[in-house]
Amino acid sequence: DIQMTQSPSSLSASVGDRVTITCQASQDISNYLNWYQQKPGKAPKVLIYDASNLETGVPSRFSGSGSGTDFSFTISSLQPEDIATYYCQQYDYLFTFGPGTKVDIK
Amino acid sequence: QVQLQESGPGLVKPSQTLSLICTVSGGSISSGGYYWSWIRQHPGKGLEWIGNIYYSGSTYYNPSLKSRVTISVDTSKNQFSLKLSSVTAADTAVYYCARDLRGQSGYRTSHFDYWGQGTLVTVSS
Repeated sequence: DIQMTQSPSSLSASVGDRVTITCQASQDISNYLNWYQQKPGKAPKVLIYDASNLETGVPSRFSGSGSGTDFSFTISSLQPEDIATYYCQQYDYLFTFGPGTKVDIK
Repeated sequence: QVQLQESGPGLVKPSQTLSLICTVSGGSISSGGYYWSWIRQHPGKGLEWIGNIYYSGSTYYNPSLKSRVTISVDTSKNQFSLKLSSVTAADTAVYYCARDLRGQSGYRTSHFDYWGQGTLVTVSS
């Protein structure tokens, strides 16, 4: 099984701040990694696929990078509507989600 | 616009079988290039992939649940379904169905691009 870890588990930042979340896979998964945003009571929404590709319609302040075992997700300028939990997800072998990072406004 | 909608009992007794249906609208489940997944989320917790199915009937399951899970497809109704047997309180969760977009012409990609709203299933006597 491929295990995914994320850090931090939660963060609090000010509007306009740059926010970065990291995700690590337990083995090399190439670029087979996606990032999702989940708001309370809602289904997750894909933001980034294949580690760095922005899903259609997603604001450009969201970005992703990395390959192999280490990945990062960045919000270049945090907005109030970005309050959510963010999950990474690998699809190299079946599917595994990271534990999530809860993002709050300071 | 593709839409997915989960349906089924919200309350299941321990040891019984949880059964859910996902109805797909705005697109055909028989279109190539997509797998159809079930994903669950325990209250206040993260996401767990349960399994998926292709329109042909080919399935893949999470090894941790494989012995209890059956996913099937009914292309005539544009639906796919989940059965989880011998449930316990640990199976209480919000269950989502989702479309898994795959690559074409040998390009490997996969992501869940459409999701249902989710349905809470509680296991309790």
